[in-house]
Amino acid sequence: QSALTQPASVSGSPGQSITISCTGTSSDVGAYNYVSWYQQFPGKAPKLIIYDVSNRPSGVSDRFSGSKSGNTASLTISGLQAEDESDYYCSSYGRGPSYVFGTGTKVTVL
Amino acid sequence: EVQLLESGGGLVQPGGSLRLSCAASGFTFSSYSMMWVRQAPGKGLEWVSSFSVSGNKYYADSVKGRFSISRDNSENTLFLQMDSLRADDSAFYYCAKGLAPRRGIDYWGQGALVTVSS
Repeated sequence: QSALTQPASVSGSPGQSITISCTGTSSDVGAYNYVSWYQQFPGKAPKLIIYDVSNRPSGVSDRFSGSKSGNTASLTISGLQAEDESDYYCSSYGRGPSYVFGTGTKVTVL
Repeated sequence: EVQLLESGGGLVQPGGSLRLSCAASGFTFSSYSMMWVRQAPGKGLEWVSSFSVSGNKYYADSVKGRFSISRDNSENTLFLQMDSLRADDSAFYYCAKGLAPRRGIDYWGQGALVTVSS
């Protein structure tokens, strides 16, 4: 399984919206509605922020939203805040079965 | 509160072995799939292995034949036996709880550092 492709970095000003893409294949992202997104601060474990493409766990801000079209999933952060500056990873269930993660995106708040 | 506590990490020589443990609490351990995910320092996340509720075990191609996952539901503990270790196995190893079959991870441990070096 090859890693899902994410942009290395995305930046935005406070209050803006940004979108992080996550491109896979018809064997993972395109085949299942089991895409998750994780937020990871330096030196910390990842935290689930989106599951099943667009669902938010309890306690996660509604500024985070997810979607999918074909082999590409997306995470949108609305009303960007300084506290959102972090690394973000997508993940998808894949054939095997297996799980595949994205390459990771560093979000910078300008 | 769900807690996952890894132990057993450390420094090992190439070709050596190491066994990681993950003590779980705060949920019905036997009812959830569990997995190991690793992250080399400064790098991305990589799925390593999963152990389903039904007893099926799955491995990434990079560790197949060298690593073995197991679980003790009576002790709420997950294990990862790592043999024939290589330098590129050096990473933080996270124990993780499956949200539901196929649906990703909802809780992560804090990680155990494994360093393979002579």
